[in-house]
Amino acid sequence: DGGITQSPKYLFRKEGQNVTLSCEQNLNHDAMYWYRQDPGQGLRLIYYSQIVNDFQKGDIAEGYSVSREKKESFPLTVTSAQKNPTAFYLCASSIDRRGNEQFFGPGTRLTVL
Amino acid sequence: SQQGEEDPQALSIQEGENATMNCSYKTSINNLQWYRQNSGRGLVHLILIRSNEREKHSGRLRVTLDTSKKSSSLLITASRAADTASYFCATALGLIQGAQKLVFGQGTRLTINP
Repeated sequence: DGGITQSPKYLFRKEGQNVTLSCEQNLNHDAMYWYRQDPGQGLRLIYYSQIVNDFQKGDIAEGYSVSREKKESFPLTVTSAQKNPTAFYLCASSIDRRGNEQFFGPGTRLTVL
Repeated sequence: SQQGEEDPQALSIQEGENATMNCSYKTSINNLQWYRQNSGRGLVHLILIRSNEREKHSGRLRVTLDTSKKSSSLLITASRAADTASYFCATALGLIQGAQKLVFGQGTRLTINP
């Protein structure tokens, strides 16, 4: 089946630790995105990548980092510099670089203990 | 304040009735998209309407766009229990190098009662 997978589904982190969230797609999409969703809120863009080895900051990039070494993979690292990391993280991809009709993964719920 | 704001924040109707959700935005857009999210899951793309279109249909979904009022509406006809979800509008704004950014509203939580 084609789609986007995110792992893990749930993640617990102690304060001061960096954690990496995985996002993989086998849709052969060029563009990939990371969003953060807080309870009862819409999505906010963290980072996006239109092509391999290139990525751009979104609206709330501080405290996060990404890499795009392969077309299929776009991992997100939540660093200790992110002051309030507890949230639901969603990865998405789109076939065109303009980002229309984005396909979403199932999400990772990160909780800082 | 949000680029896209949905109204109402929550809507509860009986199965078989029609559900209407509205979205307002502030700046010029390339297109507007509607997504559905079941509780604790990822989003699913429903429909895209371009800035030069006024109305679009997809199955039981009807979307309208009024660029003069900077607003859109999503109508779900003959609702079913499976339509229970949160619905988000997302406005597509232009970025550098031909990219677009989707700005999501806070969503409308729709509950269909059997």
